[in-house]
Amino acid sequence: GAVVSQHPSRVICKSGTSVKIECRSLDFQATTMFWYRQFPKKSLMLMATSNEGSKATYEQGVEKDKFLINHASLTLSTLTVTSAHPEDSSFYICSAAHRQGFLCTFGSGTRLTVV
Amino acid sequence: KQEVTQIPAALSVPEGENLVLNCSFTDSAIYNLQWFRQDPGKGLTSLLLIQSSQREQTSGRLNASLDKSSGRSTLYIAASQPGDSATYLCAAGDFGNEKLTFGTGTRLTIIP
Repeated sequence: GAVVSQHPSRVICKSGTSVKIECRSLDFQATTMFWYRQFPKKSLMLMATSNEGSKATYEQGVEKDKFLINHASLTLSTLTVTSAHPEDSSFYICSAAHRQGFLCTFGSGTRLTVV
Repeated sequence: KQEVTQIPAALSVPEGENLVLNCSFTDSAIYNLQWFRQDPGKGLTSLLLIQSSQREQTSGRLNASLDKSSGRSTLYIAASQPGDSATYLCAAGDFGNEKLTFGTGTRLTIIP
């Protein structure tokens, strides 16, 4: 079956530093990848949609300069949280859409803690 | 804008009981409806996917139904087990893209 690898699974960083999260589709090509954020005991909120080779589309209220998304290949998308602040602490999950069809496979998530 | 709601937010039932989780959505023009399971601190596991043209899907002890006209979906779990304890999320898929709008989730606890 389709597998999406996301890492790191957990990261702690200091305020002001940047953190990069990777999302890889291991056995399929993903033309589209999605990045979600989940606050404690809340549902997933879509942050942005990234398409291979083009700029990401951000949802309303999400700062594109704060959350940099790169989708350089059909198997890799990265989310970089720049100049992290404690309020950026959250659970970030990616998903990848298969080239054919609309079924998405989710990564295992990244727990970011900014201290 | 699509809004997805799940009721109840939390549910505890004794092992062996059958149960139903509810999901409602405001925009009936959906492409599909998915049910996911999320264990604490983990990612999502897809359970069932119902296309807009379908009324239900079954997988083992799980059965999901879809009523687009009323904007509702249900997830039925038969003969519940402690291993079923998790948060269950439903998500409505948009037409034309793969965007999912997630519900608020139901935290299920099966009591041994």
